[in-house]
Amino acid sequence: AQSVAQPEDQVNVAEGNPLTVKCTYSVSGNPYLFWYVQYPNRGLQFLLKYITGDNLVKGSYGFEAEFNKSQTSFHLKKPSALVSDSALYFCAGRGRRWSGAGSYQLTFGKGTKLSVIP
Amino acid sequence: DGGITQSPKYLFRKEGQNVTLSCEQNLNHDAMYWYRQDPGQGLRLIYYSQIVNDFQKGDIAEGYSVSREKKESFPLTVTSAQKNPTAFYLCATSRAGTGGEGANVLTFGAGSRLTVL
Repeated sequence: AQSVAQPEDQVNVAEGNPLTVKCTYSVSGNPYLFWYVQYPNRGLQFLLKYITGDNLVKGSYGFEAEFNKSQTSFHLKKPSALVSDSALYFCAGRGRRWSGAGSYQLTFGKGTKLSVIP
Repeated sequence: DGGITQSPKYLFRKEGQNVTLSCEQNLNHDAMYWYRQDPGQGLRLIYYSQIVNDFQKGDIAEGYSVSREKKESFPLTVTSAQKNPTAFYLCATSRAGTGGEGANVLTFGAGSRLTVL
């Protein structure tokens, strides 16, 4: 079974401080992991993904994520938070759901609301 | 949200009515998806289509139906059998369905919010 956990419903950080949004995973096979961001009443936007290679993945808007196989984690980070980073962040992992065509699908975490305080 | 148009943005339904949510894409992506988003529950897959005239049920397909008659279009019907339809519905596409390095990077529409009165 696939599962993705985001242990924090909300993260508050002061503008200019580093931010971390946590994610742990349990997926079958090699982990394909993703981060998406959602602004209010909008669809999700892709930030970054890990498939293989370097454990530190760089993505859009200055975000990066660190893949840690031993801890089964894929935490999202940014060195200096902006007020405009305030949004809902989703971690997702790809796993096999059924046999046949289209069998690999994403399992999403429940989301973490990030608030950057001016 | 570029390239995917969902309509209507807001929809109100009386109990017992079927409603259809539209999703149109001009990205030339093969795969299309419907997700349901409820507060604090993340996204759950309703239906998935990899090619025209073919689709698979996701995790919560009961009370929903879809069609894929054209590559560009993947409408979702919320039927009266869906007991708790009030939610935010998201359509997404990806270049390829599954497998491969580029697969499963989803592009999302802006969503449709359905409220049952």
